[in-house]
Amino acid sequence: GAGVSQTPSNKVTEKGKYVELRCDPISGHTALYWYRQSLGQGPEFLIYFQGTGAADDSGLPNDRFFAVRPEGSVSTLKIQRTERGDSAVYLCASSSLGGGVDTEAFFGQGTRLTVV
Amino acid sequence: GQQLNQSPQSMFIQEGEDVSMNCTSSSIFNTWLWYKQDPGEGPVLLIALYKAGELTSNGRLTAQFGTTRKDSFLNISASIPSDVGIYFCAGQPSTSGTYKYIFGTGTRLKVLA
Repeated sequence: GAGVSQTPSNKVTEKGKYVELRCDPISGHTALYWYRQSLGQGPEFLIYFQGTGAADDSGLPNDRFFAVRPEGSVSTLKIQRTERGDSAVYLCASSSLGGGVDTEAFFGQGTRLTVV
Repeated sequence: GQQLNQSPQSMFIQEGEDVSMNCTSSSIFNTWLWYKQDPGEGPVLLIALYKAGELTSNGRLTAQFGTTRKDSFLNISASIPSDVGIYFCAGQPSTSGTYKYIFGTGTRLKVLA
């Protein structure tokens, strides 16, 4: 597609439930990033994929968070046993050239997750 | 998580004025990116910088990659009401093996007509 697409745009879930957030990167982009943005803050890095593999997952806050990218394109961020503190906007970005040095990351519009 | 320091945190300016903001890090970065974010939207890329000392313009926006590689600057000339929003810097650390971007805390710009 023309840009990074994220679905759903909004998700409300009950505490303790499982959620999946989807990201469709720009066609041909091999690097994909997930960020979390809390109100009034800058985006915070979660995980970065090069192709199908997670090249850097150092930002995942705990083992309730997991992300996959099985075919090197679409990615899904999975959150188990959601907590109210997980409420935030989850942003996805993609970049070309394997996400190496001297590349630019383009963002989707984000998924606003609210845990009640 | 780690975030870069941006200054100022917020600013109110009159339409037509020039704006300056900066971003600093305690470590060296390979790449600096500047984004603008409107409410309810994802960040939109404005300018990308790849070399120390580099000066790049995009219309009324000019950004510079600091010579120490630990800072970057963004200037907006002759501001207009649609410049309102939050501006974020993002840097790619020089640490080998990872190409993640670390974001700044943001500068909130409000333009008074």
